[in-house]
Amino acid sequence: GAGVSQSPRYKVAKRGQDVALRCDPISGHVSLFWYQQALGQGPEFLTYFQNEAQLDKSGLPSDRFFAERPEGSVSTLKIQRTQQEDSAVYLCASSLLLAGPNNEQFFGPGTRLTVL
Amino acid sequence: KQEVTQIPAALSVPEGENLVLNCSFTDSAIYNLQWFRQDPGKGLTSLLLIQSSQREQTSGRLNASLDKSSGRSTLYIAASQPGDSATYLCAGYNAGNMLTFGGGTRLMVKP
Repeated sequence: GAGVSQSPRYKVAKRGQDVALRCDPISGHVSLFWYQQALGQGPEFLTYFQNEAQLDKSGLPSDRFFAERPEGSVSTLKIQRTQQEDSAVYLCASSLLLAGPNNEQFFGPGTRLTVL
Repeated sequence: KQEVTQIPAALSVPEGENLVLNCSFTDSAIYNLQWFRQDPGKGLTSLLLIQSSQREQTSGRLNASLDKSSGRSTLYIAASQPGDSATYLCAGYNAGNMLTFGGGTRLMVKP
């Protein structure tokens, strides 16, 4: 496709359930990013991949959060044993080249996760 | 650690007004700075990207400036319209690999 796509667009989970969020970056983009946006806040960085390598996961809030990009294209963000505080919009972005300050990131529409 | 602040947090103006949204950052070693628009329940739409060697960018009724020395960026919207109602986010690219976002300004333009 022409842009970054994410699925599902909306996810409702009961507390304690595991969820998996998918990101399809722009074809050929090397770098992929995940951000978390709480209601009324700006997005916050979670993790970053360069091809299949996860180079920075410093923003993951707990060990319940896990991300992978096994073939260097599609990425999945998994949240285990979801808690109410995990409710947020999860945004994925990709950039053409190696991540860096001059490489523009392009964002997907996000997945809105609601944990009941 | 870079911190980005946006003022005001919310703004309501009548249609036709010119307005300025402010963004400040703590680390002057910022590279590019980008302004986004976010409609309710939607993702981020890129408005303007100011590269590190530039001081401003213009697109239609929008003009964004970047002053690294003072740690500030402004987004100027001319002749505001109800369709401009949205949340506006600024974000800085640092030497690291992530974007640092401000909290956003929620703009309401009343007809």
